[in-house]
Amino acid sequence: QKEVEQDPGPLSVPEGAIVSLNCTYSNSAFQYFMWYRQYSRKGPELLMYTYSSGNKEDGRFTAQVDKSSKYISLFIRDSQPSDSATYLCAMTTYSGAGSYQLTFGKGTKLSVIP
Amino acid sequence: NAGVTQTPKFQVLKTGQSMTLQCAQDMNHEYMSWYRQDPGMGLRLIHYSVGAGITDQGEVPNGYNVSRSTTEDFPLRLLSAAPSQTSVYFCASNPEGNTGELFFGEGSRLTVL
Repeated sequence: QKEVEQDPGPLSVPEGAIVSLNCTYSNSAFQYFMWYRQYSRKGPELLMYTYSSGNKEDGRFTAQVDKSSKYISLFIRDSQPSDSATYLCAMTTYSGAGSYQLTFGKGTKLSVIP
Repeated sequence: NAGVTQTPKFQVLKTGQSMTLQCAQDMNHEYMSWYRQDPGMGLRLIHYSVGAGITDQGEVPNGYNVSRSTTEDFPLRLLSAAPSQTSVYFCASNPEGNTGELFFGEGSRLTVL
């Protein structure tokens, strides 16, 4: 079993819908939790990151972390066609000698239909 | 501010050829890394560097070499290209190693025939 599991989708929603994207993980040592957005043929860009359990909001985006259940979510309110992209969750763990490693989920492809 | 710049954007190689993918960042970040992205496999770490003169292997290092002679540059060398190395390659940099706040380049699409 991979350390980070993410449903690849694709997920298709109408414009204005609330979108819920999720990842589960198995490694209790993960410390930081991130969501990246990747448009087609572009590099990933960081949307949000959080350290502790709970919610973090940024505009229409809310990142949620539940360390007890090893579950993270990204909610998108009032989804727009411009939100159509692949969303990757990612988590860091200490790999020794002062360096950290990032583990990515495989990404969920989201389409928001006008 | 250019961020992370990768060249070339596209490349076609024949099996056995060698080449170097270039990566440069102008944000004075200590940490740099190379990933490959394949359908159904997600992003996988090839090599990374925590500063000039220091490199280490990631999850899938075989067939690739890296060096870090300056803070700005982190080239990835394919020694003898194989069809299994057909992929999209991303270079990334980050100011702090633990938060995972990576800045990615636009990617280099490599096809090995």
